[in-house]
Amino acid sequence: QVQLQQWGAGLLKPSETLSLTCAVYGGSFSDYYWSWIRQPPGKGLEWIGEINHSGRTNYNPSLKSRVTISIDTSKKQFSLKLSSVTAADTAVYYCASTSTEHGSTWSDYWGQGTLVTVSS
Amino acid sequence: DIQMTQSPSSLSASVGDTVTITCRASQTISSYLNWYQQKPRKAPKLLIYAASSLQSGVPSRFSGGGSGTDFTLTISSLQPEDFATYYCQQTYSSPRTFGQGTKVEIK
Repeated sequence: QVQLQQWGAGLLKPSETLSLTCAVYGGSFSDYYWSWIRQPPGKGLEWIGEINHSGRTNYNPSLKSRVTISIDTSKKQFSLKLSSVTAADTAVYYCASTSTEHGSTWSDYWGQGTLVTVSS
Repeated sequence: DIQMTQSPSSLSASVGDTVTITCRASQTISSYLNWYQQKPRKAPKLLIYAASSLQSGVPSRFSGGGSGTDFTLTISSLQPEDFATYYCQQTYSSPRTFGQGTKVEIK
């Protein structure tokens, strides 16, 4: 059973860089992709991107110019950086493990979520 | 991007009812479709993956179906703990887009 614990700054000013980290407990780190998803207050889910244990990344094109997802296999952690934030980036950010099989992928374990508010 | 459209956006139902939520993709996505349940202030929970496979530990009253562009999530004999918002997600192509959600409320 995989458990995810995430942390990071919850209040940012416009133009700053959002930085969140997610630690993985249990499971085999190399068996999964590691994903970030966000949810603006009162709205739906938006997929941000994912990374595998080798560091291969896949980003949402709408955020690609500002997003970096990285991984530290020795610590079993992965991180999200989003630069030049604006109020539109205010959301609850979730980390998740993503399983794959026969081409299908699904996010089966999720972190607790971190509310990030961007305000001057 | 592949657009995912859920219907209805909300519904009211009673305990014991059977409810069906529909998800339509803007292009064919084979069976690369997942369903999640989200309760207020909680992370989403995976219910169904690959269109019809029940995630371990999820009650059998949840079932998924469909392929191509049209998919369904059916909840048989609705229980009090099932009142929540449900999202579909396609993973056929990147970005892995979600539907807008369907809120299931108590009648």
